[in-house]
Amino acid sequence: EVHLVESGGGLVQPGGSLRLSCAASGFTFRSYGMNWVRQAPGKGLEWVSFISSSSDVIYYADSVKGRFTISRDNARNSLFLQMNSLRDDDSAVYYCARDQPGSCYYFDYWGQGTLLTVSS
Amino acid sequence: EIVLTQSPGTLSLSPGERATLSCRASQSVSSNYLAWYQQRPGQAPRLLIYGASSRATGIPDRFSGSGSVTDFTLTISRLEPEDFAVYYCQQYGDSPRTFGLGTKVEIK
Repeated sequence: EVHLVESGGGLVQPGGSLRLSCAASGFTFRSYGMNWVRQAPGKGLEWVSFISSSSDVIYYADSVKGRFTISRDNARNSLFLQMNSLRDDDSAVYYCARDQPGSCYYFDYWGQGTLLTVSS
Repeated sequence: EIVLTQSPGTLSLSPGERATLSCRASQSVSSNYLAWYQQRPGQAPRLLIYGASSRATGIPDRFSGSGSVTDFTLTISRLEPEDFAVYYCQQYGDSPRTFGLGTKVEIK
């Protein structure tokens, strides 16, 4: 069974940094692209970033470009999101979500999410 | 980027009724690359439909997707109690991938 478990969320002051992690199990992690998708409280879904299976292709939403860095460790079946220069509007639940092999398509499995609150 | 407009914002129905949800794209969705997700309160989204009309693994056949180009529909033939939730459409034919704002299906 596919399992994605996010961790690392918390309360951070504006301008601060935080690193999110996602532990994957139940599938061949190194074969799938992975994403971060976020949801502000009471709001809709926003795709944040994508990383290909071998880390050679990376995309970011304009809203986080230059501030967030996605990475992965296939040996540890883990996905990461380094978030710097955090702003109030980055506050959200952050989900890791599995993509389709070889492409940026739809998200077939999601973790339960980790909450980031940016506030002074 | 492609903007997805979902309507209605809220749909008030009774169990057993049929639900029809709309998703309209601001421009043509390449290859009908459109997905639907269900999100129950406090839970992560769950994939229901991809490719506009293909059901994801384990999704009951009361859920069906249709449409093409810019107009897409999710139909729930007979609402079960667990179907009352928020539904999102998402396009993956163009970058960046975008979501609609959602339709809430609530108990009347």
